[in-house]
Amino acid sequence: GAGVSQSPSNKVTEKGKDVELRCDPISGHTALYWYRQSLGQGLEFLIYFQGNSAPDKSGLPSDRFSAERTGGSVSTLTIQRTQQEDSAVYLCASSPRGQGSNGELFFGEGSRLTVL
Amino acid sequence: QKEVEQNSGPLSVPEGAIASLNCTYSDRGSQSFFWYRQYSGKSPELIMFIYSNGDKEDGRFTAQLNKASQYVSLLIRDSQPSDSATYLCAVTHNNQAGTALIFGKGTTLSVSS
Repeated sequence: GAGVSQSPSNKVTEKGKDVELRCDPISGHTALYWYRQSLGQGLEFLIYFQGNSAPDKSGLPSDRFSAERTGGSVSTLTIQRTQQEDSAVYLCASSPRGQGSNGELFFGEGSRLTVL
Repeated sequence: QKEVEQNSGPLSVPEGAIASLNCTYSDRGSQSFFWYRQYSGKSPELIMFIYSNGDKEDGRFTAQLNKASQYVSLLIRDSQPSDSATYLCAVTHNNQAGTALIFGKGTTLSVSS
């Protein structure tokens, strides 16, 4: 498809389990972002990848959260030992960056995580 | 911690009125400013971006930027019920990794018919 693809769209897990969320950005987009949005709240920045540079991890809330981006394309956000406060919609976005880009982010539909 | 502040609202305006949404940011190095609209249960979508001080108009929308005051606003003229949504202000933040985009918590706009 032409847009940002995220999977799974919904994930229900038990407290203490690990989860992996996947993001497939728009082909050719060099920048990839992960955000978290709790119910009725704004977008909380988690992590940002730009090309082959070291990622900006400054938004990750704890060491239970990690993310990687393989080959400059697909990204996986991993949450270890999930807690109930991790319940949220996790949004991935990509951006073409570079010359001619206005910096617009293109968002996926999100992965809704519910931790019981 | 770089911050982007918005009044959460709700901001209620009658149909046809002007809606004014405001945003302040803490990073003086920010260069690019964006307004995203998010309908309930949907992902954000870009409606305006502005880089230079002053006003930028696009149809019923006008973005205003004042870098000295670290203030950016969005005006919606002739507001319609379909404009009812949450409006997110986003600001670029430069660091060693590159340029990240930091969002405010959003202002909820309700336009009554």
